[in-house]
Amino acid sequence: EDQVTQSPEALRLQEGESSSLNCSYTVSGLRGLFWYRQDPGKGPEFLFTLYSAGEEKEKERLKATLTKKESFLHITAPKPEDSATYLCAVQAYDYKLSFGAGTTVTVRA
Amino acid sequence: GAVVSQHPSRVICKSGTSVKIECRSLDFQATTMFWYRQFPKQSLMLMATSNEGSKATYEQGVEKDKFLINHASLTLSTLTVTSAHPEDSSFYICSARDQSGRYGYTFGSGTRLTVV
Repeated sequence: EDQVTQSPEALRLQEGESSSLNCSYTVSGLRGLFWYRQDPGKGPEFLFTLYSAGEEKEKERLKATLTKKESFLHITAPKPEDSATYLCAVQAYDYKLSFGAGTTVTVRA
Repeated sequence: GAVVSQHPSRVICKSGTSVKIECRSLDFQATTMFWYRQFPKQSLMLMATSNEGSKATYEQGVEKDKFLINHASLTLSTLTVTSAHPEDSSFYICSARDQSGRYGYTFGSGTRLTVV
């Protein structure tokens, strides 16, 4: 069974204080690892897809990396508007996504 | 970019009644749609997968007679919660994927269902 574990569960940062979120996974035949941002009461908003170990993608203050067992989402110099829950999901051969429980990030001004 | 529209965003219904939630892909053909349920401070739990024109495939533990899914066209899927009870209160989210995967998995904005 596919498993996705995210840590920490919650992260409180000062504005400008960089940090990283972890997503550990076990899956048979990884087809893709996805990062989403979810604001309260909203659906997930797509951030990145990573397909193979060593791959990296960046968007503004966010950078996602992938190894064979885990992915990291690095937040550089965060701003209050980066406060959200960040979800990691893996796609296996059957096109279903298995989600982690998420990391709730709070950035204080 | 790909957009999925989900309606209603919030609904309150009486116990025993049925509620229909709509999910539409606005600018691509959604050959596959997924329905999730999310409890407070928890992650998304897949309920069912539907392919256009076919019967939905339900995850273990999900009652298919309670959660009716219809995916009759390439742009519309509906989830009907039948004979709703307070324990069905939750946040329901749909996701759509085109056949090629070009647009990835695009999510709707979610529906907050409260059964009183």
